[in-house]
Amino acid sequence: KNQVEQSPQSLIILEGKNCTLQCNYTVSPFSNLRWYKQDTGRGPVSLTIMTFSENTKSNGRYTATLDADTKQSSLHITASQLSDSASYICVVSLRDNYGQNFVFGPGTRLSVLP
Amino acid sequence: DTEVTQTPKHLVMGMTNKKSLKCEQHMGHRAMYWYKQKAKKPPELMFVYSYEKLSINESVPSRFSPECPNSSLLNLHLHALQPEDSALYLCASSQGGQPTYEQYFGPGTRLTVT
Repeated sequence: KNQVEQSPQSLIILEGKNCTLQCNYTVSPFSNLRWYKQDTGRGPVSLTIMTFSENTKSNGRYTATLDADTKQSSLHITASQLSDSASYICVVSLRDNYGQNFVFGPGTRLSVLP
Repeated sequence: DTEVTQTPKHLVMGMTNKKSLKCEQHMGHRAMYWYKQKAKKPPELMFVYSYEKLSINESVPSRFSPECPNSSLLNLHLHALQPEDSALYLCASSQGGQPTYEQYFGPGTRLTVT
């Protein structure tokens, strides 16, 4: 069964600290993996996208890694800011699928405190 | 213009009402999506339109009726909804229906059914 799991479910950190969010997937055939940031009551915004051959991708203070062998990805946030408080969703896309192409993880709720 | 717009932002309707949600994009995207998102859950795919044709209907109840009048516009017609249908309804678009294309999400419509 195609599935995406994320950990932790929620995380609280102090402003300025770093943190790492995890994503494990059992999706096949794999096409790409995306990390989205979703503020409460808003639509998700794409942070990074990685294909099978990429193992790291950065977007400002956000750095995503991908290990296609172990089917794991992480999102590292450096020097967190209050505005980083949001849900972070890992989405894995299926290749050559004529049905639903995107499998969403449950998300990690990050709270950054002053 | 990399924006997907949705109207209204908020909607409160009774179980006997008929209302519509509207989504618009001017990026030339040929695939458009409706998602339903309950609190603290990831988005759930409802419908996919590809080149203005309904390509995926994820077993959504008939009280939800999608419509794609043209390549820039996507509507979701609502009739005889239940309180459990209260959720954030997200629209997204992508260049094509293939998983390699990035999805751009709108801000969502917060629907409350009383």
